[in-house]
Amino acid sequence: QQQVKQSPQSLIVQKGGISIINCAYENTAFDYFPWYQQFPGKGPALLIAIRPDVSEKKEGRFTISFNKSAKQFSLHIMDSQPGDSATYFCAATQTSGTYKYIFGTGTRLKVLA
Amino acid sequence: DTEVTQTPKHLVMGMTNKKSLKCEQHMGHRAMYWYKQKAKKPPELMFVYSYEKLSINESVPSRFSPECPNSSLLNLHLHALQPEDSALYLCASSQVYGISYEQYFGPGTRLTVT
Repeated sequence: QQQVKQSPQSLIVQKGGISIINCAYENTAFDYFPWYQQFPGKGPALLIAIRPDVSEKKEGRFTISFNKSAKQFSLHIMDSQPGDSATYFCAATQTSGTYKYIFGTGTRLKVLA
Repeated sequence: DTEVTQTPKHLVMGMTNKKSLKCEQHMGHRAMYWYKQKAKKPPELMFVYSYEKLSINESVPSRFSPECPNSSLLNLHLHALQPEDSALYLCASSQVYGISYEQYFGPGTRLTVT
């Protein structure tokens, strides 16, 4: 119940295309859902995040869609660029009761020029 | 400034060596974390310090010894490591442990144990 399932494991997209990464969770106590971007040899960097009372959040080319009833959330990268090639981790946070910070398994995105 | 710095960037050590990793943040955060990350895997939590006190130890072997000298600094002392300990070691910080949503990661130290 504490897992965050992330898919796909890897993704190849043409430049200018839309990259979509999905995550699903079971624990309804999770109350914050961040996405991290990690380049090879670097630490994860917070990219965008959403709370469960919002269905969508957009920052530039990055959009999170959140479906509370389905317990799913996804990251959409519009107009994908080669510089977006990285590993993306979703995460889920529980701040009520026992604090939890659970990472998804990661998606390796490659954007072809 | 949302920067977490880590030194060294790379470290190669033998199984009998003693070395230390250093992490520093100047965001006024009171929670600091050590994570271990293997290739193609998510970060795995090792330790959490809250207000300079060890709050969480995720059953990490004693050859890893954390230390928090003050609210800005976090060290990880390494001794008698095994080759399987080779990984990227990440430091992170957040405003307050238990209620913070965002964690800010450093660039990591790439550790190779020979």
